[in-house]
Amino acid sequence: AQTVTQSQPEMSVQEAETVTLSCTYDTSESDYYLFWYKQPPSRQMILVIRQEAYKQQNATENRFSVNFQKAAKSFSLKISDSQLGDAAMYFCAYRSASAAGNKLTFGGGTRVLVKP
Amino acid sequence: NAGVTQTPKFQVLKTGQSMTLQCAQDMNHEYMSWYRQDPGMGLRLIHYSVGAGITDQGEVPNGYNVSRSTTEDFPLRLLSAAPSQTSVYFCASSYFNSPSMNSPLHFGNGTRLTVT
Repeated sequence: AQTVTQSQPEMSVQEAETVTLSCTYDTSESDYYLFWYKQPPSRQMILVIRQEAYKQQNATENRFSVNFQKAAKSFSLKISDSQLGDAAMYFCAYRSASAAGNKLTFGGGTRVLVKP
Repeated sequence: NAGVTQTPKFQVLKTGQSMTLQCAQDMNHEYMSWYRQDPGMGLRLIHYSVGAGITDQGEVPNGYNVSRSTTEDFPLRLLSAAPSQTSVYFCASSYFNSPSMNSPLHFGNGTRLTVT
């Protein structure tokens, strides 16, 4: 079974600065999808960014970008120009491409605090 | 569109009581699933369904039952609540993904359940 590990329970960043969240995963598969979800205090789960394992180019969505290192099984999230609204729990998630359906395996989460 | 609607938002049960968490989606999604969220453990899959009449177990199915009589609804039943089932529960849906597809999961806003 696949596992996803987020080793940083909490990260703090100054407003307008950059923070990087770590995620590693364990899989024997070569084709899969990776995701970062944001969960603000409202409890809503919001998809931030996704990466297909077969794509070498790192995904980018506005101020959010990833560093996907397939050989190292690492998928970090960089938040640039941090804003107060970025304060939330962030979850890394994995989905196998060999299975039908949409089962995600989540990491334990990283809480991001943004200091004004 | 309402998206994924979960009811209730909050619930307190006594040990041994039963209840049903409701989930409905209006996006004609074939795939529906239930997760529970516990501190430090991220979200874990309880049960899922790839279409009406079809359900299967996820990572943590014990103590929970599901059924899928319609495309829109996917209720989660606790037959005899236990304190270990205190958690936040999320329903999520998507189009059915073949291995090469990747339609995103849409989440409800969660139900916070406390079992005393």
